[in-house]
Order: sequence, then C-alpha cells, then structure tokens
Amino acid sequence: DIQLTQSPSFLSASVGDRVTFTCRASQGIASYLAWYQLKPGKAPKLLIYAASTLQSGVPSRFSGSGSGTQFTLTISSLQPEDFATYYCQQFNLYPLTFGGGTKVEIK
Amino acid sequence: EVQLVESGGGLVRPGRSLRLSCAASGFKFDDYGMHWVRQPPGKGLEWVSGISWNSGSIGHAESVKGRFTISRDNAKKFLYLQMNSLRAEDTALYYCVKDDAGSLRGLLDVWGQGTTVTVSS
Repeated sequence: DIQLTQSPSFLSASVGDRVTFTCRASQGIASYLAWYQLKPGKAPKLLIYAASTLQSGVPSRFSGSGSGTQFTLTISSLQPEDFATYYCQQFNLYPLTFGGGTKVEIK
Repeated sequence: EVQLVESGGGLVRPGRSLRLSCAASGFKFDDYGMHWVRQPPGKGLEWVSGISWNSGSIGHAESVKGRFTISRDNAKKFLYLQMNSLRAEDTALYYCVKDDAGSLRGLLDVWGQGTTVTVSS
C-alpha cells in the first residue's frame, strides 16, 4: 500500500496567516493526489485534486502543488472558517490511502 | 443539489451484522462509482470499499475483505454496505462517497455526513 505522511500533524495559526502543510508519498504517485477539509458534524469537502486543481466553489486562497512524492497545500490568508483538519489522499493505486491529517487550530 | 444521506448505523455486539444504506440525490447516480470511507474515533480516514457504476468493478480493503460487501441499486439510487462478523475495530463514522467517474477512479468529490457504527458488548 502507498503510505502518505502529513506534516505537521497539528498547526496553531492566526486569522490572516499564510499556512503550508505537506504530504509525502512512500512511492511516486504522479499528480494523483487530492486534499480534503474535515469539520466535525459536517460532510468532508474536496478542496484540490490532481495535486493543484482547485475544486469548483473552493476559495482561491487555497492552492496545491507538487508531483511524484512531495506535495503541499497552502492557505494564503487563513479565515475563521478554515480551522479544520486537512487530509491528503492518493488515487494512483488501490487501496486508496489517506495521510494522517493536519489539524489547524486558532492561536 | 448533490446529496448523500447515510443511515443504518448503531450499536451492535461483536460478531453480529449491520447493513448501512446511502440515499443519493441531485445527480445521475448510475453514471458514477461510489465508495464507503470510515473514520474511527480520534483517528484518520480509511477507505473501506468501492463499486463502479454498473457493479462490474468492486474492491474492498484488506481489513474488511470477506466480511463486508458493497452493493448498489441504481433504480432506487441507493448504495449499501453489508457488514458481517463485526469487530470492535470496525467502530467508526462511515461516510458514503461519490467518485468523480463511473469507473473507480478514486477521486472522492462528494461526501455524506456519515453514520456512526459502534461495535461493543
């Protein structure tokens, strides 16, 4: 199985901050990577797919980059509604696998 | 509006069975693959099972293979997960998830809010 390692696992930041977190794959997955946002009690939301393509309706402050084994998700200016947990997921090979998540909390 | 609504979760004893259902609306259900993904309490996400648009391709995670069965009824626009021989480690929030393609491409573009399964004696 392809292992995905996210870092950091926890991030404390303020509204307006620029934040970046990473996802590293145990083997090359080209650009078959997606990012999701999870909030308690809500349906998870697809933010970015194919490593850097913004899903329709997602604010432009979110951006993704990378290919192969190293990927990043950046929020250019953190908003109150962005405090959540973010997961990367590879869809290059089955079984589909997810990273361990990065929880973004208010400083 | 695209919507997925799960049901069927609950408290069940180890070794027993449970069937989860997912009602789909707002999109042409029989054009898309579907998945179940779970999240144990305090832990991350785990893909459980996937099924293509016509049930021609089906996959299960090793952790549930031989115990769980995914199926779908395109006429009724429902996805199911039959869970047998349940174990404590199956305790989780189970999400119904739409694939962005008819085949099991694996890009999960719409999620339900989940239904909770607790396996405990």
